[in-house]
Amino acid sequence: SQQGEEDPQALSIQEGENATMNCSYKTSINNLQWYRQNSGRGLVHLILIRSNEREKHSGRLRVTLDTSKKSSSLLITASRAADTASYFCATDANFGNEKLTFGTGTRLTIIP
Amino acid sequence: IAGITQAPTSQILAAGRRMTLRCTQDMRHNAMYWYRQDLGLGLRLIHYSNTAGTTGKGEVPDGYSVSRANTDDFPLTLASAVPSQTSVYFCASSGGSTGELFFGEGSRLTVL
Repeated sequence: SQQGEEDPQALSIQEGENATMNCSYKTSINNLQWYRQNSGRGLVHLILIRSNEREKHSGRLRVTLDTSKKSSSLLITASRAADTASYFCATDANFGNEKLTFGTGTRLTIIP
Repeated sequence: IAGITQAPTSQILAAGRRMTLRCTQDMRHNAMYWYRQDLGLGLRLIHYSNTAGTTGKGEVPDGYSVSRANTDDFPLTLASAVPSQTSVYFCASSGGSTGELFFGEGSRLTVL
């Protein structure tokens, strides 16, 4: 079963606008990670936020974590055409072995 | 460039045939993983290995086997392929304290 669920499933915005994607999960976690996947390629790690952190920044990325609501958001500011990709959240609590479990992803399209 | 190498990139296979997907990493990471990615289901963990000589089952292990004879290689075998195993397979590794996964570019398998 999926631990994480991203929302929305798909998002299209104009270049330069901000993009926000959300992730909800079911059980307690140690950390939450976000990954990007360009079409036909492997996943690339973007950012990790630990359960005792509430917000983290990396370049144009801002991630928030609300453990009380079991949710996280990924904000990409000043979007670029190159940001077009699928974005996945991943959590580390499942099967009792703390292996990463991925959500179903948000497909982001940046319109030039 | 250091990373994960998967082979083959793509394969069409008749049902009932045996198939091994190869995965090699040159980062000396202890942990390695196999995920399958299906539309609408995200990535699901098949098998993992915490270190050479050990393996474990993930969320969807049935019909698959793995071995970890050394640090670098983590092959995934389908003993008798079935059409439901049509998917894109990703190998990944992790070795740092962050738990960040490094992914290969994937192997697209079609079972007819």
